[in-house]
Amino acid sequence: AQKVTQAQTEISVVEKEDVTLDCVYETRDTTYYLFWYKQPPSGELVFLIRRNSFDEQNEISGRYSWNFQKSTSSFNFTITASQVVDSAVYFCALRGDSSYKLIFGSGTRLLVRP
Amino acid sequence: DTGVSQDPRHKITKRGQNVTFRCDPISEHNRLYWYRQTLGQGPEFLTYFQNEAQLEKSRLLSDRFSAERPKGSFSTLEIQRTEQGDSAMYLCASRPGLAPNLDTQYFGPGTRLTVL
Repeated sequence: AQKVTQAQTEISVVEKEDVTLDCVYETRDTTYYLFWYKQPPSGELVFLIRRNSFDEQNEISGRYSWNFQKSTSSFNFTITASQVVDSAVYFCALRGDSSYKLIFGSGTRLLVRP
Repeated sequence: DTGVSQDPRHKITKRGQNVTFRCDPISEHNRLYWYRQTLGQGPEFLTYFQNEAQLEKSRLLSDRFSAERPKGSFSTLEIQRTEQGDSAMYLCASRPGLAPNLDTQYFGPGTRLTVL
């Protein structure tokens, strides 16, 4: 079975604070792919990043960074110096090589206050 | 390069009526997905097409639901005899290919269905 857990339902921070969104996954596939999507109030899911299971190198893109650790089955997402425009629901998702579909977590709602 | 488009964006219907949604994927994306998202939850997979072939269906897709992609381009999702539990956001996504570097699914804006 495949599963994605985002234990943080909602996080509230003040602008310019750093914030980390947690994601823990389960899969029996040896090859799998991990994703983060952002869903702003407008509702459209926006792709942020994709990671292969065989590439544990962490990635930084501007204020965003991702920490992939196979040993703990985690793929955490950090926003540095958060901004009000970062307010959205963030979803972590998994696709195992045995399936075509994405398995999503329940999402973390991030509220960045001015 | 236009994104995935969905029509209509909102649909209100009475219980028992049939509804049909349309999805136009990004051009040349031969893989298309339907998901359903209820309030406070992540999207749940419904079905997957490779070109015109429907290759995977979720158990969530009861016999009241049917999806088609007749020419391998746009897709339709029909719900017959709608029930209040069908109220949700219906999302369509497409991706260009099967190779790992073509794996990312790009989502449309969704169709929000309300069944009264």
